[in-house]
Amino acid sequence: GESVGLHLPTLSVQEGDNSIINCAYSNSASDYFIWYKQESGKGPQFIIDIRSNMDKRQGQRVTVLLNKTVKHLSLQIAATQPGDSAVYFCAEREYGGSQGNLIFGKGTKLSVKP
Amino acid sequence: EPEVTQTPSHQVTQMGQEVILRCVPISNHLYFYWYRQILGQKVEFLVSFYNNEISEKSEIFDDQFSVERPDGSNFTLKIRSTKLEDSAMYFCASSAGQVLSGANVLTFGAGSRLTVL
Repeated sequence: GESVGLHLPTLSVQEGDNSIINCAYSNSASDYFIWYKQESGKGPQFIIDIRSNMDKRQGQRVTVLLNKTVKHLSLQIAATQPGDSAVYFCAEREYGGSQGNLIFGKGTKLSVKP
Repeated sequence: EPEVTQTPSHQVTQMGQEVILRCVPISNHLYFYWYRQILGQKVEFLVSFYNNEISEKSEIFDDQFSVERPDGSNFTLKIRSTKLEDSAMYFCASSAGQVLSGANVLTFGAGSRLTVL
């Protein structure tokens, strides 16, 4: 189980490099997945989402990959910028679940070095 | 860009006191939510609200918690008798529709930090 105050996994990248943030989700019945970005002192901000009938979706500078076989989700950020520094959370929604009851992952802290 | 606003940004209260956290969701949104995040931990679902009633609530949302939409713009979370373990960041969120696609994603507010002494 988790410990209170558990340190977040941290990914440190150089500005301009690509970043890959990984997430293992828990429920094979989940049908919808979202990546959120949380900057210090702010609420989670939507980045990109993907439904379970897809395995890849691209946005502006971001790509989400879904591997349902191993219950793995990843977020790729191209040409990472200092403004990308934040904590990134994946979230899942169980199939048939009500709207809004998202299950968030632990989060990964992305640190971009100039 | 429309945003969800929350007040207060930080509230300090004594254990046992009642607290009301306020939220103004995005004006054309129909679904409202409260989440909380204990320091250093995951964001956790508390409750969802639609059509003036609770749609779903988690185990965390016990009898000490209540939500209300007192008028056409505000959405409040009340904690009747605060406990030390209620100390957390509370996030309000809203969505236009059911969370099935990018068009109906949850938009979160900046949060209200509650400190119970």
